[in-house]
Amino acid sequence: DAKTTQPPSMDCAEGRAANLPCNHSTISGNEYVYWYRQIHSQGPQYIIHGLKNNETNEMASLIITEDRKSSTLILPHATLRDTAVYYCIVRLLGAYGQNFVFGPGTRLSVLP
Amino acid sequence: GAGVSQSPSNKVTEKGKDVELRCDPISGHTALYWYRQSLGQGLEFLIYFQGNSAPDKSGLPSDRFSAERTGGSVSTLTIQRTQQEDSAVYLCASSQNRDKFYGYTFGSGTRLTVV
Repeated sequence: DAKTTQPPSMDCAEGRAANLPCNHSTISGNEYVYWYRQIHSQGPQYIIHGLKNNETNEMASLIITEDRKSSTLILPHATLRDTAVYYCIVRLLGAYGQNFVFGPGTRLSVLP
Repeated sequence: GAGVSQSPSNKVTEKGKDVELRCDPISGHTALYWYRQSLGQGLEFLIYFQGNSAPDKSGLPSDRFSAERTGGSVSTLTIQRTQQEDSAVYLCASSQNRDKFYGYTFGSGTRLTVV
């Protein structure tokens, strides 16, 4: 599976959009981009995933570049409860375990 | 249940003792995973169960670690002769099947401290 690169930390003002980048320059054509987040003391929570089209759900939007080498997770109106570590993962649909690697992620701090 | 339940939530044990960690997956979920997360680190895969198939144990760090899943539901992760480097949060997750990745739900974990 492709590896991802994320900044270790970011700050965002409450109410503003949080844009979390992820580089995945070695992604293959059939690998999906997934985003999870982990709020302190909780297990990781699924946010969104996509293959090549931009995706939006009630939590966030996912923007994937045309060459698929990078993506951005957008939290449109960040709240203090969005403070968490955000993980960007690329994987084959149906892969699991060793093929599903969580890196250190980006620690997002939403500031009042 | 409504979510993945893990117990205990916290466990402190002495070096050399054995510990058992329990995971109750979401009812009907056939896939169950164990991960561990050391302080400030990402998630490390340990073991995967899918239905009645033989588990994928390739992530277990040593033969002191073992896991069972009885009746295709509850799973127990056992660590024998615990060492200080075993201190971590142990997370369990379940999904309907491995292809439904976005249905992958994690429990809150068991924080293991070996002293």
